[in-house]
Amino acid sequence: KQEVTQIPAALSVPEGENLVLNCSFTDSAIYNLQWFRQDPGKGLTSLLLIQSSQREQTSGRLNASLDKSSGRSTLYIAASQPGDSATYLCAVPMDSSYKLIFGSGTRLLVRP
Amino acid sequence: ETGVTQTPRHLVMGMTNKKSLKCEQHLGHNAMYWYKQSAKKPLELMFVYSLEERVENNSVPSRFSPECPNSSHLFLHLHTLQPEDSALYLCASSQGFGTANTEAFFGQGTRLTVV
Repeated sequence: KQEVTQIPAALSVPEGENLVLNCSFTDSAIYNLQWFRQDPGKGLTSLLLIQSSQREQTSGRLNASLDKSSGRSTLYIAASQPGDSATYLCAVPMDSSYKLIFGSGTRLLVRP
Repeated sequence: ETGVTQTPRHLVMGMTNKKSLKCEQHLGHNAMYWYKQSAKKPLELMFVYSLEERVENNSVPSRFSPECPNSSHLFLHLHTLQPEDSALYLCASSQGFGTANTEAFFGQGTRLTVV
């Protein structure tokens, strides 16, 4: 059974800092891994999708890495800004199905 | 905008009411989903439709009834709900599933409060 864990559960950093969010999964046979951002009371915004054959994906100040063998992914945020404050979620599909298994998220606060 | 639109954004209903949530996607996707997000719990998949046919029910109580009239629209009909059904209901869509580049896109959600 696939389980997804995100640590830390919450993180508070001063503006300008580089930071890393962690996601781990128990079953390495994944098709892809997706990172989302969720603002309070809002829906999910897709940030990055890493396919199982890829090691990294970059979008602006965001860089996501994937290490399937160790069951880990990291989301690196460079030069953090107060506007980055949100909950960040990672998700993997359960085997070849439609079902996304989500972590509980990391709640990020970037202080001005 | 993610290309997935949900209405209403907020809904307050009594336990004896009947209401419906609506989701529309403008991405040309062929799979649509309903997720439930309760406080301090991971997102839970409720229903999946692929090519307008329900693929997964996921043991959801019958007071939740989905409808997918076409590949662009998805409804969630609600009746005789309980206060514990209060949550954020999220709709998502994707182009198929089970491939490496299948990416899910979510709507902004409907915040449901059952009183």
